[in-house]
Amino acid sequence: KNEVEQSPQNLTAQEGEFITINCSYSVGISALHWLQQHPGGGIVSLFMLSSGKKKHGRLIATINIQEKHSSLHITASHPRDSAVYICAVHNAGGTSYGKLTFGQGTILTVHP
Amino acid sequence: NAGVTQTPKFRILKIGQSMTLQCTQDMNHNYMYWYRQDPGMGLKLIYYSVGAGITDKGEVPNGYNVSRSTTEDFPLRLELAAPSQTSVYFCASSYEQRAYEQYFGPGTRLTVT
Repeated sequence: KNEVEQSPQNLTAQEGEFITINCSYSVGISALHWLQQHPGGGIVSLFMLSSGKKKHGRLIATINIQEKHSSLHITASHPRDSAVYICAVHNAGGTSYGKLTFGQGTILTVHP
Repeated sequence: NAGVTQTPKFRILKIGQSMTLQCTQDMNHNYMYWYRQDPGMGLKLIYYSVGAGITDKGEVPNGYNVSRSTTEDFPLRLELAAPSQTSVYFCASSYEQRAYEQYFGPGTRLTVT
């Protein structure tokens, strides 16, 4: 079992829909990242959070440390939101201290 | 600031050839990383560096080497390329290792045939 699991792996939506991508992890963490990767493009950090909720434009990220779960929400989705969304966690201890462990990514396609 | 730059963007290698993937950052970050991304898999850490002259292995270091002679540069060397090294390679940097945002380069798509 991977230390970081994302669901769904693939997501198709119509423009304007509310989208949720989930991330569950099994290790202690110091922070969690949500990253965006456009086709053929590089990787951009959207959020880094260790508690609560963050909002940037139409994007909202939440984290529940007790349940080891985070969600990324996109409100009023748009075709330009089509990308791969990646969850990554900073391990809190042991030999992996501070390194990022990545989920497999969620491929989002938003149709006009 | 250019951020993190990588060269080349694309490369095709024959089995057994060697090459160096270049990575440079202009943010004066001490921490730098090399990842590979394979289809359907999460990014895997190859090597990382906590400062000039200091490097360490990540999850998948076999077949690769790194050096860090300056704060800015962190090249990744592939010796005796194998088809299993076909992947997209990303370099990243951060101010500190834990709980800080990592900045990624645009990636290098490598095919070994």
